[in-house]
Amino acid sequence: ETGVTQTPRHLVMGMTNKKSLKCEQHLGHNAMYWYKQSAKKPLELMFVYSLEERVENNSVPSRFSPECPNSSHLFLHLHTLQPEDSALYLCASSHDPGQPLHFGNGTRLTVT
Amino acid sequence: ILNVEQSPQSLHVQEGDSTNFTCSFPSSNFYALHWYRWETAKSPEALFVMTLNGDEKKKGRISATLNTKEGYSYLYIKGSQPEDSATYLCAFKEIQGAQKLVFGQGTRLTINP
Repeated sequence: ETGVTQTPRHLVMGMTNKKSLKCEQHLGHNAMYWYKQSAKKPLELMFVYSLEERVENNSVPSRFSPECPNSSHLFLHLHTLQPEDSALYLCASSHDPGQPLHFGNGTRLTVT
Repeated sequence: ILNVEQSPQSLHVQEGDSTNFTCSFPSSNFYALHWYRWETAKSPEALFVMTLNGDEKKKGRISATLNTKEGYSYLYIKGSQPEDSATYLCAFKEIQGAQKLVFGQGTRLTINP
């Protein structure tokens, strides 16, 4: 039990599809994050939410759209993705942005 | 662009041997340095958060040191065990960087029985 749960674990989608990734944390944390792990690259920060307000948007294409309806839930809405968007998407949370991150198990996304 | 480098990229160590690897980061605007362990099919797990120059942290057989003036941190594993096999990630946070943690590419450690 990591305290941070991501669904689905695996997702295959076509370039014209719309899908959403979900993240849920039960740790009472105030900050939530989306990271992307592409092959042979470091973890890349995509978005940060602190107290449900987006505080970091790391030049991510608009085909990725985050949503944080409350401090326990974070979504990543996907539409018209490209094959190069295939990657492992990790959600994380922390008490505040200076504290260690607690990660979910990730969603392995394949865009065909 | 912040650059966080880890070396080596991969490492094979015999069970029982000790090992260490390096994380290099910018020496200016330092706020914190994180270490994480990422085992296959699991999620990354925080090992240490280090904030002060000269910090040394220890967790069982794993320890870490920090030199913020020259911009490096070492992670040491004493008496390696097969369960230490994982990718070890460091991440740098700068003082003006708000919420942003910049990760290195990781060191993949394999312990041979």
